[in-house]
Amino acid sequence: DTEVTQTPKHLVMGMTNKKSLKCEQHMGHRAMYWYKQKAKKPPELMFVYSYEKLSINESVPSRFSPECPNSSLLNLHLHALQPEDSALYLCASSQAVRAGEQYFGPGTRLTVT
Amino acid sequence: AQSVTQLDSQVPVFEEAPVELRCNYSSSVSVYLFWYVQYPNQGLQLLLKYLSGSTLVKGINGFEAEFNKSQTSFHLRKPSVHISDTAEYFCAVSEGTGFQKLVFGTGTRLLVSP
Repeated sequence: DTEVTQTPKHLVMGMTNKKSLKCEQHMGHRAMYWYKQKAKKPPELMFVYSYEKLSINESVPSRFSPECPNSSLLNLHLHALQPEDSALYLCASSQAVRAGEQYFGPGTRLTVT
Repeated sequence: AQSVTQLDSQVPVFEEAPVELRCNYSSSVSVYLFWYVQYPNQGLQLLLKYLSGSTLVKGINGFEAEFNKSQTSFHLRKPSVHISDTAEYFCAVSEGTGFQKLVFGTGTRLLVSP
């Protein structure tokens, strides 16, 4: 099973709302990632977790707050977002940060109004 | 630092014709290379990967790619495309040592028409 699941599939939120995106994998992977993808662009790395610890933050604004409650789950907490944060948010996982391929989830389409 | 170039932003092709999507990379160290496909409103699906060994790698859906170290290329090929192959294709590279940050190309849109 090489499946990464993400919920919700779509999310519309106002600029004062607080919401969370969820990601889950059951492949025993120890590295998990959040990416942001704008239309007609490649994914951009936001955060990397390795063994449930935050390894990399690619200078992401603090209105995005990641959390890794256990080795299978990854959350992205959203607060006070801007309309330009509207994008497809992709979660991915890999065996480890020094492993080869990453497996991606289907994404959450976020619209900030 | 690594970089990936996908020179063709869009490749139109007729159904059952062969196709090649080009990818060139630059890196000063050994690399891992990947091709991902993204269908509309979906996530990225791994098509194939080169980690080491044989330079000709076969992937899913009849795709294959050849790693050419001297030309720093990793072009994707399919001998006969289907309408269902219409999608965005991303080439990606990561360094063979250390943290495996994926660097993506800008993508190539494959448009298959009847």
